[in-house]
Amino acid sequence: EAQVTQNPRYLITVTGKKLTVTCSQNMNHEYMSWYRQDPGLGLRQIYYSMNVEVTDKGDVPEGYKVSRKEKRNFPLILESPSPNQTSLYFCASKSGTVSNQPQHFGDGTRLSIL
Amino acid sequence: GNSVTQMEGPVTLSEEAFLTINCTYTATGYPSLFWYVQYPGEGLQLLLKATKADDKGSNKGFEATYRKETTSFHLEKGSVQVSDSAVYFCALGGSQGNLIFGKGTKLSVKP
Repeated sequence: EAQVTQNPRYLITVTGKKLTVTCSQNMNHEYMSWYRQDPGLGLRQIYYSMNVEVTDKGDVPEGYKVSRKEKRNFPLILESPSPNQTSLYFCASKSGTVSNQPQHFGDGTRLSIL
Repeated sequence: GNSVTQMEGPVTLSEEAFLTINCTYTATGYPSLFWYVQYPGEGLQLLLKATKADDKGSNKGFEATYRKETTSFHLEKGSVQVSDSAVYFCALGGSQGNLIFGKGTKLSVKP
């Protein structure tokens, strides 16, 4: 089954403790991205990657890092999490980079930073 | 820059009522337009899309027409069901391959 898998689904942690949210897709997609969803703000893009070893900032990259060493994986790293990063996070992927291709989303990771 | 504006929710309807969720956009050029749906506790799923002016996207009884003259992509369904209760997002395809989302509209359908 074609899917985007995120782990963990839920995490409660404390300020300053480094964490990584993993994302993996099995569709051989070139493009992957991370979004955060906050009430009243919709989804905003954090980082994206058009292919292996190619990453770029989205609209809200501060406080986050990503890497794309393999085509299927695109982890999101919070080096020193802060409470304002408490949010619902989604990983997404799509074939190619043209704007008319829809993105496939994971089920989300709910992070709470205390 | 590119942006999407959709009607504020929540929207509460009775089963079999007609649904319209308004969406307008601001963009340079002619971006692709999408509607995504998010059921409780799940990720976003593509509901429908349109890639050029006057295209009509449709799926599961939902429809939306790409109107260049009014820069709109309103979502409609003739008869909603309880199972349509979800959050609906309008989005446009950005030049970097990204999606630019509206803030979402929560729909609740009562039996």
